[in-house]
Amino acid sequence: EAQVTQNPRYLITVTGKKLTVTCSQNMNHEYMSWYRQDPGLGLRQIYYSMNVEVTDKGDVPEGYKVSRKEKRNFPLILESPSPNQTSLYFCASGRNTEAFFGQGTRLTVV
Amino acid sequence: TQLLEQSPQFLSIQEGENLTVYCNSSSVFSSLQWYRQEPGEGPVLLVTVVTGGEVKKLKRLTFQFGDARKDSSLHITAAQPGDTGLYLCAGSLNTGTASKLTFGTGTRLQVTL
Repeated sequence: EAQVTQNPRYLITVTGKKLTVTCSQNMNHEYMSWYRQDPGLGLRQIYYSMNVEVTDKGDVPEGYKVSRKEKRNFPLILESPSPNQTSLYFCASGRNTEAFFGQGTRLTVV
Repeated sequence: TQLLEQSPQFLSIQEGENLTVYCNSSSVFSSLQWYRQEPGEGPVLLVTVVTGGEVKKLKRLTFQFGDARKDSSLHITAAQPGDTGLYLCAGSLNTGTASKLTFGTGTRLQVTL
């Protein structure tokens, strides 16, 4: 089954404790992206990658890092999480102009 | 600055009614997409429109792309409870890639029996 898989689905952590959210896709898409979704602000792009070893900032990259060492994986790294990074995160992969989303990771930073 | 404005933000209707959701921008998009998102899930692509004036139908859903490629509408005929969800429009500013998809803030639709 074609899918984008994120882990974990839910995460509660403390301020400053480094964390990684994994994302994997099995559709051989070159494009992958991370979004955060917040009430009243909609979906905002954090980082995206057009291919292996090629990443670029989206609209809200501060406080996040990404890497694209393999085509199928695109982890999101929060080196020192803060409460304002509490949000619902989505990974997506795409072809042409269409994006396919994972099920989301709800992150709470206390 | 929100590039894509959706209206209304919330809509609560009864089964069988018709409705229209609007997505407006001052920017010209190379393509525009509509997604539906259900609670606890990621957005799911419904349709992509690429040509100004284009109309696409998906069962009871009709999507239209404005002539100037700055706006779009989604019309649902005879809404059903299964249509309940968050509807998102997204515009692509780059030709041929999904790299700079910009999302609207969404329209939350509730259809009751």
